Amino acid sequence: AQTVTQSQPEMSVQEAETVTLSCTYDTSENNYYLFWYKQPPSRQMILVIRQEAYKQQNATENRFSVNFQKAAKSFSLKISDSQLGDTAMYFCAFIPNSGNTPLVFGKGTRLSVIA
Amino acid sequence: GAGVSQSPSNKVTEKGKDVELRCDPISGHTALYWYRQRLGQGLEFLIYFQGNSAPDKSGLPSDRFSAERTGESVSTLTIQRTQQEDSAVYLCASSLDNRGNYGYTFGSGTRLTVV
Repeated sequence: AQTVTQSQPEMSVQEAETVTLSCTYDTSENNYYLFWYKQPPSRQMILVIRQEAYKQQNATENRFSVNFQKAAKSFSLKISDSQLGDTAMYFCAFIPNSGNTPLVFGKGTRLSVIA
Repeated sequence: GAGVSQSPSNKVTEKGKDVELRCDPISGHTALYWYRQRLGQGLEFLIYFQGNSAPDKSGLPSDRFSAERTGESVSTLTIQRTQQEDSAVYLCASSLDNRGNYGYTFGSGTRLTVV
């Protein structure tokens, strides 16, 4: 069974600074996809970034980038130039390419951006 | 529709009553998923529907929980004889294909409170 671990229950960062959220996962699959989702107080889960395991290049979406280390099974999210609107819960998620199992989520990291 | 729609947004019910939660996925999305999120926790998989295949019910916590989906449209999650531990946000999501490799689109959830 696949598992996703987020070891930081809460983090805080000063506005305009950079913060990195950690995620590790466990799987015997070789081909899979990884995601970071953001959940603000509105409860809406928003897809932040997606990484394909067979691509070595780290995914980037504007101020959001990942550090994907396949051998270490690590998938951290870096948020640059943090903004107050980045305050939210962040969930790391995994899905194998086989398509027979649903997205597996970590327990989340609560990020607070401080003015 | 433009997004995944869930109703009601909030529901308060008395212990022992039955409740029905509704999800309207994005038109054309073949797969639909239900997750439960207890206060301050991660997302717990409940059930998913993949096109015309039999649903995967492996995440349902007890026989009080059931779900149905009509074709590739609306789904209802029913909880019978509600208990206080059923209090949570119930999130529905859909994906364009059965693999979900591009991630899921989530609704805003139904917050269920059992008193």
